[in-house]
Amino acid sequence: DAGVIQSPRHEVTEMGQEVTLRCKPISGHNSLFWYRQTMMRGLELLIYFNNNVPIDDSGMPEDRFSAKMPNASFSTLKIQPSEPRDSAVYFCASRGLDGNQPQHFGDGTRLSIL
Amino acid sequence: AQSVTQPDIHITVSEGASLELRCNYSYGATPYLFWYVQSPGQGLQLLLKYFSGDTLVQGIKGFEAEFKRSQSSFNLRKPSVHWSDAAEYFCAVSQAGTALIFGKGTTLSVSS
Repeated sequence: DAGVIQSPRHEVTEMGQEVTLRCKPISGHNSLFWYRQTMMRGLELLIYFNNNVPIDDSGMPEDRFSAKMPNASFSTLKIQPSEPRDSAVYFCASRGLDGNQPQHFGDGTRLSIL
Repeated sequence: AQSVTQPDIHITVSEGASLELRCNYSYGATPYLFWYVQSPGQGLQLLLKYFSGDTLVQGIKGFEAEFKRSQSSFNLRKPSVHWSDAAEYFCAVSQAGTALIFGKGTTLSVSS
């Protein structure tokens, strides 16, 4: 079975530009999570969805960040405008709605804002 | 506040030696506990999980972990380390249906 698929794997752009990260969860999974990994702060939750509905977005840094899940097979994380401090690795993870299931992670998007 | 502490930032172990990575958590309820491994440039791979029942859990790649409620610990162990085990290891906690709270990770180096 295909795992969680993230695109792009790498993104380098200049500050002020809009950045869109994409995630395709594992088929049949109905919880989706976005995490950010930095050297200083480690792995932190940004937002998660159950059945396409945002449940907890308390980790979203500020209004420049937005996330959507228009259907069960696709989610986006958008940063507009981007800033150098947004440089990080962004991970998407999915899980079945049964709370006893573990999360499965994608390979991440390494984002560099110049 | 809920938190996970991995006291060791970096550990070096000789190939063939035993390994123990420490994890302590602070959580109001009985947590779900996980260990993930991350190789450079890769995502996180689940090694093992504890939800309930037997406090000694077996995972992939020969790893095991023991849940000790009295010590709020969930230490990861392997009897004999291989060079391919060199990676970063993350302990995480959650409740049913919620997001993971991660420790800061322990980097494992394996010397020959």
